[in-house]
Amino acid sequence: GDSVTQMEGPVTLSEEAFLTINCTYTATGYPSLFWYVQYPGEGLQLLLKATKADDKGSNKGFEATYRKETTSFHLEKGSVQVSDSAVYFCALNEPYGNKLVFGAGTILRVKS
Amino acid sequence: ETGVTQSPTHLIKTRGQQVTLRCSSQSGHNTVSWYQQALGQGPQFIFQYYREEENGRGNFPPRFSGLQFPNYSSELNVNALELDDSALYLCASSSTGGTEKLFFGSGTQLSVL
Repeated sequence: GDSVTQMEGPVTLSEEAFLTINCTYTATGYPSLFWYVQYPGEGLQLLLKATKADDKGSNKGFEATYRKETTSFHLEKGSVQVSDSAVYFCALNEPYGNKLVFGAGTILRVKS
Repeated sequence: ETGVTQSPTHLIKTRGQQVTLRCSSQSGHNTVSWYQQALGQGPQFIFQYYREEENGRGNFPPRFSGLQFPNYSSELNVNALELDDSALYLCASSSTGGTEKLFFGSGTQLSVL
């Protein structure tokens, strides 16, 4: 079945450092790809998404590009802030599908 | 516009008991999905309800069941609780039957002792 693999955490960075969280996927079709963020004590929030190959999703300084050739959707941010500390989940769905398949999540800790 | 609300926020049950978790969808949303998030793992799809009908189910046994009401709120029922059912249960609503934009609640933390 479809699956998502994320880099293991926790990832610990200093404020203003560059962030990359790797995500690769396995899918039989052409899924949409998502990054969700979960702040402590809260539910998941959609951070960004991309619906087809070479699309770039972006939001709040975060970016990810849908790479079909490498089946990847790595999350990047040029300068992280302490407020970015959270758990980040990569996910996919199937076209017209009704469920998301999530990776295991990556904890990000940003120190001031 | 209210968001997705779940109740209760925390719950402790004993193995073998039954539990009901509740979810109020965001205003205007007719689709509710339930996910189980075990500690240190990503959420796993349990099932989805669209206009009061089950619209897809994940790899969960029949003791996990659900309902959606005419106001599109939803319940998740789990019978014969097992220790491995301890998890955060997340409800998500959307305005379509798809997954392009889900709005998640804060979840119900269930502990089975």
